[in-house]
Amino acid sequence: GENVEQHPSTLSVQEGDSAVIKCTYSDSASNYFPWYKQELGKGPQLIIDIRSNVGEKKDQRIAVTLNKTAKHFSLHITETQPEDSAVYFCAASRPPGYSTLTFGKGTMLLVSP
Amino acid sequence: NAGVMQNPRHLVRRRGQEARLRCSPMKGHSHVYWYRQLPEEGLKFMVYLQKENIIDESGMPKERFSAEFPKEGPSILRIQQVVRGDSAAYFCASSYPGSRAYEQYFGPGTRLTVT
Repeated sequence: GENVEQHPSTLSVQEGDSAVIKCTYSDSASNYFPWYKQELGKGPQLIIDIRSNVGEKKDQRIAVTLNKTAKHFSLHITETQPEDSAVYFCAASRPPGYSTLTFGKGTMLLVSP
Repeated sequence: NAGVMQNPRHLVRRRGQEARLRCSPMKGHSHVYWYRQLPEEGLKFMVYLQKENIIDESGMPKERFSAEFPKEGPSILRIQQVVRGDSAAYFCASSYPGSRAYEQYFGPGTRLTVT
């Protein structure tokens, strides 16, 4: 089955810096890669996703890049703010149906003012 | 548009009791997924249901766990004879049918504590 590795497990940055979280996956058939943000005591919130027919996608301060050959994808957050502090999870799924999301173990991002 | 709703938010059960977790999907969503999150871990897929059908239960433990999504009402995840190892956060997600089925939206979770 699919295996998703996520690094780093914790990341501390100063407000205004950029943050990068990286994930690798094992199943070459996976072609949908979402990122979720989970705040303390809440459920995961879908913040951005990418499908394998594109290499990069941006939404304001966040962007995701995908390298299918190397089987890795990354989340980039620019101009970080204290409210970006949370646990971020990457995930992967594959057709048909995309029913099973396989998650990484998460990255705790701490943005200091 | 209300999001995915789960109740209860917190549930305490003694060993051997039954736990029932409820999930109401977002309006327009007909696919429901259950995931379990252990402390310091990512989410693990348990089961995928559509109305009145279990589509994929490959992540569900073979014993004591069951799930349903009836024609009317919420999806239910049932854990019989709970043990301490069942203590975790259980999240439900839902998605649209068809071409957007891959976008899963999560509820706030039910935190189960077994004493």
